[in-house]
This record gives sequence, structure tokens and C-alpha cells, in this order.
Amino acid sequence: KAGVTQTPRYLIKTRGQQVTLSCSPISGHRSVSWYQQTPGQGLQFLFEYFSETQRNKGNFPGRFSGRQFSNSRSEMNVSTLELGDSALYLCASKRRLPEGADTQYFGPGTRLTVL
Amino acid sequence: SQKIEQNSEALNIQEGKTATLTCNYTNYSPAYLQWYRQDPGRGPVFLLLIRENEKEKRKERLKVTFDTTLKQSLFHITASQPADSATYLCALRGKAAGNKLTFGGGTRVLVKP
Repeated sequence: KAGVTQTPRYLIKTRGQQVTLSCSPISGHRSVSWYQQTPGQGLQFLFEYFSETQRNKGNFPGRFSGRQFSNSRSEMNVSTLELGDSALYLCASKRRLPEGADTQYFGPGTRLTVL
Repeated sequence: SQKIEQNSEALNIQEGKTATLTCNYTNYSPAYLQWYRQDPGRGPVFLLLIRENEKEKRKERLKVTFDTTLKQSLFHITASQPADSATYLCALRGKAAGNKLTFGGGTRVLVKP
């Protein structure tokens, strides 16, 4: 099975612009979560989608939004970019383990740099 | 507020020795705790999961303990190898419905030959 894929891998934008990142989960996985990772704040949860519905949301401003399509692919959008949005954006799809818990399979991430 | 803390200082260790990492949490009622490995420029990779009613879990050279009284998990890499050099993240899922997986800041491990 192919792993989680994210595009693009690298992106450079300027302040005020907007950006759209894409994620394709592992085939058969219906849940997709997005995380932001920075050296100072670590890995922070943005939102989770399941069957095209947002199921959970982290503490990020409304400039951060996402959606999920019927084929489980997901996109996240950041509008009016700020310098502090420079980060590694990670997407993960979820698998349920036999013991009832679930684990995340992460993609390679999109490195966003805002100038 | 809820907090998950890992030692932010890098752990330097000689090949063959055991590396021990700590994950402490506050204001959580955890359902389970997970450990991930992250290499530079890559996404985290799941290693082990331990439930709140479990004391210890092992997988090859890895061992995880979970003490809900101390609110702490220990992660051990025995017979460490240079290939074990990476950042290790712990993550907690709370018991409340809809609770998300929350990550600690990670500890970097450097195994020297």
C-alpha cells in the first residue's frame, strides 16, 4: 500500500498570500488529520476530517481551514499568510489497531516558508 | 491546563548503551499513550502504544512503561545503535469523547559509535 502523500513538498510564499496544501491518505483510511510543526511549539493539531466532515479542531485562527473530498483526499488552506506560519505541515491518516486504539500514519510534510 | 513534557535537551549516548526518555503529563486522564520516531525532514513514525491499564510494553529493542500515578511514561532503547539517532515524540489520547492526540515536544537522541 502506498503511504500518505503530500504535495507540494516545499513552498515559498510572501506575507499576505494564501496557500493550499494537499494530502492523500493511505488507501482505505477515511480519517485525515493536519498538524503544524515548528521548533518552538512542536507538533500542534490543526483539524481532523472524517467522511468529509470536520470532526475535531485545534486552537488555530480562522485563517486556517480545511476540507475533505469524497475520495478521502484532503486540502488545507491558509489565507493572509504571516511570517509565523512558516512551518512543516503534516498530514496523517488514522488506522484502528486491534486493541481498539488508533494510530497515525504521517506523510512527509510540506515545508512552508513565508517571506 | 493540559501539558505533555519531554526533555528538550538532546540525549547523547554511546552505542550499545540503553537510552531512556521521559514523558510527563499533567491534567490528563489518558486512554493511551504512544511513542513516535521522527527523522529530520520526515513525518513521525508510530513505534509503540500503551494503554492506561498496562504497565509495560516491548517491541524488539524498545520498551515503554506507563505509570498513571506518577503521570509518566519511560521509553527505553536497549543496545542502542547509531541508526537509532532521531527525535522521539510521545503522544497522549485523553478519555473524553472527541479527544485529539496531543504530542510532546520530543527528545532528540544521538547515538555515538
